[in-house]
Amino acid sequence: YELTQPPAVSVAPGRTARITCGGNNIGDIRVYWYQQKPGQAPVLVMYHDSDRPSGIPERFSGSNSGNTATLTINRVEVGDEADYYCQVWDSSSEHYVFGTGTKVTVL
Amino acid sequence: QVTLRESGPALVKPTQTLTLTCTFSGFSLATYGMCVSWVRQPPGKALEWLAVIDWDGDKFYNTSLRTRLTISKDTSKNQVVLIMRNLDPVDTATYYCARKSGDEGDSFDVWGRGTMVTVSS
Repeated sequence: YELTQPPAVSVAPGRTARITCGGNNIGDIRVYWYQQKPGQAPVLVMYHDSDRPSGIPERFSGSNSGNTATLTINRVEVGDEADYYCQVWDSSSEHYVFGTGTKVTVL
Repeated sequence: QVTLRESGPALVKPTQTLTLTCTFSGFSLATYGMCVSWVRQPPGKALEWLAVIDWDGDKFYNTSLRTRLTISKDTSKNQVVLIMRNLDPVDTATYYCARKSGDEGDSFDVWGRGTMVTVSS
């Protein structure tokens, strides 16, 4: 199972960033999202497609339907600049799968 | 507070075997639903899942690396060990261990800081 993300997304402060994660019928399985800043470990920012862990700002939201899952960051801040990865559990292969990653740059 | 910490050699020669230890606190791997996984990240590249072991000893491996990996746990010591055999320079990466508690589905809710392993002669 493969997850495809755009390599890069650029957004101005205060605007909305949308990061997509493409996979075959991904809407049928749960998607998770991680934020990774340079030199740091990944941090879970979204689980079960659209649930935010404690401490994650409401500016972060998620959706998942058809062949695309999306992480949306509203009112983007400079501190949101990071790499973002989607992840699923593929039960058919009994594999965890990570997406290719998207670098979000805040202009 | 839940913490995980990876330890192991920073430099390994090609063809050698790598042993990494994940020492954790704040939870028990004997608790139903708990899992610990290993994930690696080559410099400048994406995350790659390697292996997972769960609370009742079930193990799953990345198929592409399965023949080279062994994951095990010592519940009494709160440790998970990953062994990778026949190392190659392409295995140079930061290796992370991460917890899956089940509270947030199939996600890794807490990660260690990672340990950088370089494979070079």
